Amino acid sequence: EPEVTQTPSHQVTQMGQEVILRCVPISNHLYFYWYRQILGQKVEFLVSFYNNEISEKSEIFDDQFSVERPDGSNFTLKIRSTKLEDSAMYFCASKAGPSYNEQFFGPGTRLTVL
Amino acid sequence: GENVEQHPSTLSVQEGDSAVIKCTYSDSASNYFPWYKQELGKGPQLIIDIRSNVGEKKDQRIAVTLNKTAKHFSLHITETQPEDSAVYFCAASDQGAQKLVFGQGTRLTINP
Repeated sequence: EPEVTQTPSHQVTQMGQEVILRCVPISNHLYFYWYRQILGQKVEFLVSFYNNEISEKSEIFDDQFSVERPDGSNFTLKIRSTKLEDSAMYFCASKAGPSYNEQFFGPGTRLTVL
Repeated sequence: GENVEQHPSTLSVQEGDSAVIKCTYSDSASNYFPWYKQELGKGPQLIIDIRSNVGEKKDQRIAVTLNKTAKHFSLHITETQPEDSAVYFCAASDQGAQKLVFGQGTRLTINP
């Protein structure tokens, strides 16, 4: 069964460093998302991406964040200068198309900022 | 924007009993309500969903009900089994907005 994959599973970084979280969405899916979950809190929407551009972003997704689909398979989230409060679990999700509702989630990347 | 509240935050039931988790939403434009199960170390997995033109949906031991007037929806698990132990999240979405707005999650523990 096709699934969303994410790498790495755990990333530890120093405050101020740049990190790139990687995702491989399900093949042929057209909509891509990043969500994050701070320990003990809700899963929060960060950004959605369709047709090679951001379709919606939350207020969390400030200038320190960017997304890219560098090739036909990868979808990345970059945090330019990490802060302590960026420590969270980051989930990538993908959806087949506009007439489908189900979003398929990856296993997540745990980001720890020291 | 949309706000989803979920209760209870933890729920412990005896194996074989039923479990009910409730969610409320604020935006009347929301029309899609999925429920996700998250096991330790894994991402959320969709277990059932309901659209606003339907009041109830059932899939084996799992059912979801939706009350559009009151803006609440519930997950019902019958004949619970140890493998039902997990964190369950409700969510709401406006199809036009696409994004999911999640509830706080419920940690369900099934006691043998």
